[in-house]
Amino acid sequence: AQKITQTQPGMFVQEKEAVTLDCTYDTSDQSYGLFWYKQPSSGEMIFLIYQGSYDEQNATEGRYSLNFQKARKSANLVISASQLGDSAMYFCAMGGLYNFNKFYFGSGTKLNVKP
Amino acid sequence: DVKVTQSSRYLVKRTGEKVFLECVQDMDHENMFWYRQDPGLGLRLIYFSYDVKMKEKGDIPEGYSVSREKKERFSLILESASTNQTSMYLCASIQRHKNTEAFFGQGTRLTVV
Repeated sequence: AQKITQTQPGMFVQEKEAVTLDCTYDTSDQSYGLFWYKQPSSGEMIFLIYQGSYDEQNATEGRYSLNFQKARKSANLVISASQLGDSAMYFCAMGGLYNFNKFYFGSGTKLNVKP
Repeated sequence: DVKVTQSSRYLVKRTGEKVFLECVQDMDHENMFWYRQDPGLGLRLIYFSYDVKMKEKGDIPEGYSVSREKKERFSLILESASTNQTSMYLCASIQRHKNTEAFFGQGTRLTVV
C-alpha cells in the first residue's frame, strides 16, 4: 500500500525567509509521481509542483522547489522568500506514474507566514 | 480553462437521508476520485473510477457508494447519512497515463444534523 507522511502539522516562518515542508512516502511502484498542493482558507486545491520518480533534476516552479531524495523516499517542498499569501495548508501527494488509479495525500502542514 | 464542478458548495442534510454529491469534469479525463477531508487527517480516498461504470474502493468506502454512468460525471452517494459523515468532500479528475496533476472541484461542505 502506498502511504504519504507529513510530520509537521503546523509551521511558522518569517516573511521573506525560506521554509521547508517535509514529506516522506512509501510505495512499491517503480514509476510514480510526487505532487504538492496548496489549500488556502477558501478551500480550493492549487497545484504547485510535480516530480517524476525518474526525473534526475529536482523540480522547480518559481519560488517553489522540490527536494527529491529517492533513496530516502522524501520529497520536501522548499518555499523561498515566503510571502504572507503563502499562509495555507500544504499537501504532499503521490500517484502511480502510468495509471494514477489511486492518488494519495498526506495529512497536510499548516503554514503561517508572520509579517 | 479546465474545470471540475461540484454541484453544491454547502449542504445540510438530516440523519438517515439519502444524499447525492455530483461532480462533473469537462477535460475528458478517464480517472475521477472522491475524497473526504477532515482536520488532521488530510484527504482520504473514498472511491475512484477509471472508466465509465468502473469503480474501485479507496481507503474509507464504508457508508458510501458511487455511480459513473457517463465519463464526465462521477456521483458520490451517502445511502443513509450519519453525523460522522459531516465533512468536506472533494472531487478530482486526472488524465490517465500522463504525468500531470489532478484537478479539483471547489469542494462540498456537508453537514449532517
